[in-house]
Amino acid sequence: DIQLTQSPSFLSASVGDRVTITCRASQGISSYLAWYQQKPGKAPKLLIYAASILQSGVPSRFSGSGSGTEFTLTISSLQPEDFATYYCQQLNSYCSFGQGTKVEIK
Amino acid sequence: EVQLVESGGGLIQPGGSLRLSCAASGFTVSANYMNWVRQAPGKGLEWVSVIYSDGNTYYADSVKGRFTISRDNSKNTLYLQMNSLRAEDTAMYYCAREVDDTLTGYYDYWGQGTLLIVST
Repeated sequence: DIQLTQSPSFLSASVGDRVTITCRASQGISSYLAWYQQKPGKAPKLLIYAASILQSGVPSRFSGSGSGTEFTLTISSLQPEDFATYYCQQLNSYCSFGQGTKVEIK
Repeated sequence: EVQLVESGGGLIQPGGSLRLSCAASGFTVSANYMNWVRQAPGKGLEWVSVIYSDGNTYYADSVKGRFTISRDNSKNTLYLQMNSLRAEDTAMYYCAREVDDTLTGYYDYWGQGTLLIVST
């Protein structure tokens, strides 16, 4: 099984901050990496797929990079609506998710 | 418009059985990879099961032998039959459509979820 480890698990930031979340895979997953945003009581929302491709309708302040075993999600300027929990997901071998990163207001 | 609507959750005693449904509209379930993902209260996302367009099915170790994923093509609906339920199966259950592109995969549409509580 492929394990995904996100860091940090919790992040406190201010509006306007640049935020970076890392996702490390236990083995190489090529570009089979997606990022999701989840707000309380809601289903996850796709932000980025293929490690770096922005899903249609997602603001350009979100970006993704990486390949193989190390990936990052960056929010260039944090907005009030971005406070949420973020998950990475791999679909190289079945499916697994990272444990999540909760982004809260400082 | 693509839509996924789950139903069938509720309160069930340990050892019981329940079937979840996910009614799809705007696309054909049988032509896509369809998944169940669950989220225990206050916890992260856990993949449960997938059914591929060719009918092959796969399960997380935590549910293998107890859960069965299936679909009804005439109703364009995905199902999850859950037997021998345990307290640790308590979660919100989501269905999600998987896109399997060249060199990548992701879930582009999710339902709103249905809550299962396993308790006495």
